[in-house]
Amino acid sequence: DAGVTQSPTHLIKTRGQQVTLRCSPKSGHDTVSWYQQALGQGPQFIFQYYEEEERQRGNFPDRFSGHQFPNYSSELNVNALLLGDSALYLCASSPRFGGGGELFFGEGSRLTVL
Amino acid sequence: QQQVKQSPQSLIVQKGGISIINCAYENTAFDYFPWYQQFPGKGPALLIAIRPDVSEKKEGRFTISFNKSAKQFSLHIMDSQPGDSATYFCAAGVDSNYQLIWGAGTKLIIKP
Repeated sequence: DAGVTQSPTHLIKTRGQQVTLRCSPKSGHDTVSWYQQALGQGPQFIFQYYEEEERQRGNFPDRFSGHQFPNYSSELNVNALLLGDSALYLCASSPRFGGGGELFFGEGSRLTVL
Repeated sequence: QQQVKQSPQSLIVQKGGISIINCAYENTAFDYFPWYQQFPGKGPALLIAIRPDVSEKKEGRFTISFNKSAKQFSLHIMDSQPGDSATYFCAAGVDSNYQLIWGAGTKLIIKP
């Protein structure tokens, strides 16, 4: 049973560019959350998707957007990249109901903005 | 009011000793308090979690103590082992959703 998978694992972009990160949730999970983890910090909630819609959003600008597909996989898009967007982007999946609150994380996508 | 404050930032414990990490929260609406463990290059993994209807929860060598009136909770790792060396995060949230507010993390090193 595959866990949460994310791609790419590492990428380097320059300021002003756009990036798309991808996530496949754990089998049986229909809810995907995205977190940004800066170096030496705890993860910060970006947004959460289920039923192909953004359901909750943290304190992130509109440059951060996402999508969820019918197979529950998800994408995170960041436009107009800033140096401060350099971070580990974590995807977490969970079942919509009955999960008890546990989030299952992927290994993340390490984004470096130059 | 959304913050979760975690201490210490780093901790060195001898093998066999007790590791203690503390967290404090402000939002009284929080009703779910998990601890996650993260190894280098990996995503966080749930270690243990507690809800405010109990003051303590134990799973193997890991115990959460919860003080609702003080709005504080802590993780105790008994008989700490070198394999426990990792970064530990406390978090808090409202059970009706999975949006967690995380502490800044504690880097734990267990010396053989």
